[in-house]
This record gives sequence, structure tokens and C-alpha cells, in this order.
Amino acid sequence: QSALTQPPSASGSPGQSVTISCTGTSSDVGGYNYVSWYQQHPGKAPKLMIYEVTKRPSGVPDRFSGSKSGNTASLTVSGLQAEDEADYYCSSYAGSNNLFGGGTKVTVL
Amino acid sequence: EVQLVESGGALVQPGGSLRLSCAASGFTFSSYWMHWVRQAPGKGLVWISRVNGDGSSTSHADSVKGRFTISRDNAKNTLYLQMNSLRTEDTAMYYCTRGNMVTLYSWGQGTLVTVSS
Repeated sequence: QSALTQPPSASGSPGQSVTISCTGTSSDVGGYNYVSWYQQHPGKAPKLMIYEVTKRPSGVPDRFSGSKSGNTASLTVSGLQAEDEADYYCSSYAGSNNLFGGGTKVTVL
Repeated sequence: EVQLVESGGALVQPGGSLRLSCAASGFTFSSYWMHWVRQAPGKGLVWISRVNGDGSSTSHADSVKGRFTISRDNAKNTLYLQMNSLRTEDTAMYYCTRGNMVTLYSWGQGTLVTVSS
């Protein structure tokens, strides 16, 4: 039950795009279309941003998009805004359990 | 409005036990899978346990298997996490979440568990 692998940090200027990767194995990310992404601001509870690889819950801006290729999923935030500065976590179904990535801190420069 | 309110967090000695509760409202509780997720201070999210709508199917992470038990009381709209043989590494904020088996739609604000002598 190893955690999914995410880069510890990513950054971009306002208006730019940033992409975060999430690497797993064929037993989790690569084996199911059940990757989700969560945003967490300091001191707050996480919030669902993307589910089932590409789907956005109601209320999440379309600046947020998800994709997957093989064992790696990605979250792209386009048109970066100051309020996008937060920690982002990927998660994947893995059969008998669910896994999270280690998290990526996104900084808006 | 969906509300998930955790309680039961406390300071407990290593080897001790604790039961967390999560009071749910604003949705049909029995229709959803429920999960517990924890976050150690300054660290990332870690999935702990899940239970299906009628409580007949549960799963736990290897790190807590045999020590923690997830359960639910649909008549009381309440989720539980019984934690036994607590270790210092179990110190974390514990979040109750609503979802399906694979996605966590809504999160509570968390309850803090500190394991220390």
C-alpha cells in the first residue's frame, strides 16, 4: 500500500498554467479510472476538485482539469489565480483500499 | 446542506483506546459509503477506512488493520471509528468523509487525536 507519487511543489504566475503529476502502478492509477484530486488550504478541510479522472463537481471552475495516461494522472490548473495557492492531493481506488499521494504545494508567484 | 461533525478526539496514552464519532446530516446517510482519512501534523492525507451504506462491507489500511474498526449506525446517522492499541504515530487530525467507494465528496472539519505519554 505505497502512497502515490506527487512532486512536492509546483508554481506559476497569475494567468499561467500549472500541471501536477500523480504516479502509481497498474494496481491503482493505471488499473482503474477512479482518480480524484483534492484541494486543501491551510487549516481547512480538503475539497474535491476532480473525480473519476476528468469529472468536475458542480461549483468547481473549469480552469481545473484532469487526465490520465498509463500509471500517471495529472491535474492542470489553467489561468492561475491567487486563491488557487494550496496543497493538492491525488487519490486512487486500489481495490481493497484507497490511496493518496503525498501532496503538492502550489504557489502562485 | 451536507454536514459532517466529528467528535471524540482527545489526548490518550500509547496503548490506549478511543472512539471517534461523526454525526451526519443533510443527506440520506444510508445511501453513501463513508470513509475516515487522517492527517498527521504538517503531513499529507492518509486513507484509513471505508464502510458501505448498510455497514456490511468494510476495508482498512494495513497500518491500522486489526487495531481500528469502522462502523455505522444508520438509525442515528452516525459513523464511528474504534481505535485500539494506539501508537504515537496515530497522532493526527481525523476526517470523516462522505462519498462512494472511490471518491470522497464531502469532508468534515476533523477531530484531533494526540497519542502521547
